[in-house]
Amino acid sequence: EVVLTQSPATLSLSPGERATLSCRTSQSVTSNFAYLAWYQQKPGQAPRLLIYDASTRATGIPARFSGSGSGTDFTLTISSLEPEDFAVYYCQQRYNWPPLITFGQGTRLEIK
Amino acid sequence: QVHLVESGGGVVQPGKSLRVSCAASGFIFSSYGMHWVRQAPGKGLEWLGVISFDGNNKYYADSVKGRFTFSRDNSKNTLYLEMDSLRAEDTAVYYCAKDTYSSSWSPGYWGQGTLVTVSS
Repeated sequence: EVVLTQSPATLSLSPGERATLSCRTSQSVTSNFAYLAWYQQKPGQAPRLLIYDASTRATGIPARFSGSGSGTDFTLTISSLEPEDFAVYYCQQRYNWPPLITFGQGTRLEIK
Repeated sequence: QVHLVESGGGVVQPGKSLRVSCAASGFIFSSYGMHWVRQAPGKGLEWLGVISFDGNNKYYADSVKGRFTFSRDNSKNTLYLEMDSLRAEDTAVYYCAKDTYSSSWSPGYWGQGTLVTVSS
């Protein structure tokens, strides 16, 4: 079973600061684990896709969001926090075949 | 503009069945795989499975295999989730989601969800 571990569980920052969220996978993202994505979820809303294929921004996502990483360690960076960025963030991996999906437990980004 | 609208949630007794629907618009529904994901109150996201663009291939998470069934009607642009033998732990918001891109086999764009409460 693939396990995704996100850290920290909670991140307290102020608007304008840089946020760095981590996602570590229990198995390397290689050809068998071909997909790593990041989502943002606000209270009462559905998750919104931010990043897919580890570093590709989804349509309409501001440039302050960026994804990086390879192997077992991945990072979501928000370069300068806006008030609307405070939310819960999830990473997600797909096993290549069969296409089984796993989510991390989430990182809560809160206003300091 | 991708638009997904889930419906059919509500309160259901343990052991009973329920069917949830997901109406799609804004994209060529018959070209994309579709996923079901749920979120229990105050908890994280749990992937339930995926159905291929043509409905011929379905993959289920172990937690729902044998109890939940996916289907789709491409003529109606609608996805279905049939849930049998429901348990209290199935209480959650149920989301449908479209593949990020054709053959990505990963959920990208989500509906707003429908709440299913299993309670006597």
